[in-house]
Amino acid sequence: NAGVTQTPKFQVLKTGQSMTLQCAQDMNHEYMSWYRQDPGMGLRLIHYSVGAGITDQGEVPNGYNVSRSTTEDFPLRLLSAAPSQTSVYFCASSPGGRQAFFGQGTRLTVV
Amino acid sequence: AQSVTQPDIHITVSEGASLELRCNYSYGATPYLFWYVQSPGQGLQLLLKYFSGDTLVQGIKGFEAEFKRSQSSFNLRKPSVHWSDAAEYFCAVGAGSQGNLIFGKGTKLSVKP
Repeated sequence: NAGVTQTPKFQVLKTGQSMTLQCAQDMNHEYMSWYRQDPGMGLRLIHYSVGAGITDQGEVPNGYNVSRSTTEDFPLRLLSAAPSQTSVYFCASSPGGRQAFFGQGTRLTVV
Repeated sequence: AQSVTQPDIHITVSEGASLELRCNYSYGATPYLFWYVQSPGQGLQLLLKYFSGDTLVQGIKGFEAEFKRSQSSFNLRKPSVHWSDAAEYFCAVGAGSQGNLIFGKGTKLSVKP
């Protein structure tokens, strides 16, 4: 039982490039979410999903896209990377309303 | 609006001393409350959680927290800090049935030998 797995762990992008951060969970949780963590800001919700085919925006959705085709996977897409998207990204899954289980994070640098 | 405030950005305590990290929340309904810990370069580990019932909750690593509805607080405590407790601590409130969390900005704990 791996929990929540994020790949890659580290990534450097050039401004304007696109990429996908992968997130997979094996706990059969309906709810999954993406957060970004910036120094002094805590974690802020980007997008979330309450089940396959259902997604919604969080607090800071601009510049990011998500889809949820299966219960297990919830990828986060950066359409055109900007330096302001330099951050640590965390994926989380939850059985709903209660404890969230976090992945180990992806450290992204946009130059 | 829902929010979580951690008033202390950085706290330094001596090893063996007691610790209290403050957390205040703003939430309209009965909150789900959490404390997470993050070591440098690591993910978030759940220390403890409060959903209902007894307002004093015990967590891992010897931590406890007390929910005080009248003060909208959920402070984290430990009677004797160890050097390995140096990390960043985040308080969070559950913001809906989907499991969304609203986080405070964190308190960084340093431990003096």
